Amino acid sequence: DTGVSQDPRHKITKRGQNVTFRCDPISEHNRLYWYRQTLGQGPEFLTYFQNEAQLEKSRLLSDRFSAERPKGSFSTLEIQRTEQGDSAMYLCASSPLGSYNEQFFGPGTRLTVL
Amino acid sequence: DAKTTQPNSMESNEEEPVHLPCNHSTISGTDYIHWYRQLPSQGPEYVIHGLTSNVNNRMASLAIAEDRKSSTLILHRATLRDAAVYYCILRDVGGETSGSRLTFGEGTQLTVNP
Repeated sequence: DTGVSQDPRHKITKRGQNVTFRCDPISEHNRLYWYRQTLGQGPEFLTYFQNEAQLEKSRLLSDRFSAERPKGSFSTLEIQRTEQGDSAMYLCASSPLGSYNEQFFGPGTRLTVL
Repeated sequence: DAKTTQPNSMESNEEEPVHLPCNHSTISGTDYIHWYRQLPSQGPEYVIHGLTSNVNNRMASLAIAEDRKSSTLILHRATLRDAAVYYCILRDVGGETSGSRLTFGEGTQLTVNP
């Protein structure tokens, strides 16, 4: 399967701990996106990369959140000093260049902060 | 981003057609209409998109009103596997870096009865 993969699928952590998630996009997809989804809501955009450049960040992405895509391939999303409000599904998507190309989503990482 | 309005939920019977409406009265000339769906415990998946003309693909049809202020996603024969949340999304593709994010609303929860 050559779809978008995310690791881990589930993460349980205690408040105040740091967590890091990884996303492997479809190979040769230049764009990579991170979204967050809470129960009963649609996904909310967090940030996106074109190759290794982070081109847009949502105001939802507080100082405790940082995302990287160092070689233009996989990406990591780190949350420092987690809070209970960070509990959500974190979704990654990738797409080829082109403004209206479809985005391919991964299965998500479910974060639970105790 | 221009806003869309969808019913919270709809029901259908298996093997019957389903018409999922979406209102987008503030749509601009450079907004494409995209539909994604999210099956339980999965990331969203692309269904179809269009600008002005009606569109068909293997999954569904998209009917766009002449004034573009509304659209309808048509599933010709619903199956149990079509039970999902369906999102209608407008994407502004006016520039190379615009149209990057997907702005999800709460979508329509489609229930398919056997």
